[in-house]
Parts: sequence; structure tokens; C-alpha cells
Amino acid sequence: DGGITQSPKYLFRKEGQNVTLSCEQNLNHDAMYWYRQDPGQGLRLIYYSQIVNDFQKGDIAEGYSVSREKKESFPLTVTSAQKNPTAFYLCASRPIDSNYGYTFGSGTRLTVV
Amino acid sequence: AQSVTQLGSHVSVSEGALVLLRCNYSSSVPPYLFWYVQYPNQGLQLLLKYTSAATLVKGINGFEAEFKKSETSFHLTKPSAHMSDAAEYFCAVSEAKGGSEKLVFGKGMKLTVNP
Repeated sequence: DGGITQSPKYLFRKEGQNVTLSCEQNLNHDAMYWYRQDPGQGLRLIYYSQIVNDFQKGDIAEGYSVSREKKESFPLTVTSAQKNPTAFYLCASRPIDSNYGYTFGSGTRLTVV
Repeated sequence: AQSVTQLGSHVSVSEGALVLLRCNYSSSVPPYLFWYVQYPNQGLQLLLKYTSAATLVKGINGFEAEFKKSETSFHLTKPSAHMSDAAEYFCAVSEAKGGSEKLVFGKGMKLTVNP
């Protein structure tokens, strides 16, 4: 079955450490997105990519970095510069020429202690 | 920039009662609008979408939404709530700028269904 896989489901890290969240899709979608979810704040866009080797900052990119070396993969690194990294992170994708909405992964819950 | 507003953060209904979740949007162009549902610790699942065809949109699980341009609204309804409808619901608008496109979400509405 096609879909988006985010791993791991739960992640714990010590403060000051960088951590990378994985997002892989086998839907042959061109565009991929990372959102951060905090209680009562909805989803906020971190980074997005329309094509391989190109990506744009979203609304809350500070303290995060991404890469898009392959069409199917869009990893997110949470750096030590991110002030409040504890959150639920969601990856999504969509075909480039479609308004059919996004397909979401099941999320990674990051806790920094 | 496009935006959506979901007033309030929680709504509680009895099983079998009408579900009404409100969403108002702000857009300078005809919008594409979406409703998503999220169950605890899971990703988002598309309920329904409006893409400038019929103004009354039917989705999964018995939900529907009506696009009203005059009211800039896209409220989600279900005639009879079921316990399994308890979840968080997000309204979203598609924003296109400079050749790229992204979804802008409301803050979400948590639906509780009482027996």
C-alpha cells in the first residue's frame, strides 16, 4: 500500500542535541511538507519542498533544517538552536498538479528533556 | 495571506445529536478548502474538500460541509453524532504563492461525544 512513513513514533533527546526525524513516501508525490503541532495552536508549517534539491522555509523554520536529495525522502533535523523542540511533528505530501489535499504520515512525538 | 478561523477549541455533543463545527476563511482568491480529522497520536485524515465545484460537499463518515462565499464560511456538519466521531477537527485553506502551494490550518476543534 502507498503511504507516508514517519519514524520513529516516539523520540526522546537530551537538550542541546540535534535529532533527525525521518519521512519517506512511496506515493510518487512531488511536494513534501513538515508541520509542527502544539496543543491549541493547530499545525504550523516548518519547511516544504516542491522538487528534489529545492526547499523553502515555512512560518517557523528557525532552529530546523531539511534536505531533499531523493523524491521519496524529506528528513527534518531539529537543531539545538530550536528553543522549544518538544512537539508532535507531521510530514505530508501531495502531487504537484493536484488540489486533492495532502496525505499525512502518522507523526513523530519528540520530547526533549 | 489566506487564513482560517475556528472559533473555540472544544465542542461537546450527545450521541445522536447534530454536529456543527464552524470555519471561516479569509482569501483574496477563490479558495480550496479542506476539513481534516485527527485521532489521538495519529496523523490527519482528509474528511472532505471544496475545489470550486458543488458548494455542498459530502465526505467520509457521514460528514458534509457547505461553502458559502457570502459568509466566507465552510462549516462542517453531521446529522447524528457517533461515539467514534470523538476526535480533533481541522479546517484548512490552500494558499498558492510564487509557484508554490501550502495548506494553512485553523487551530482545531476537539469534539467530545457524550453517551
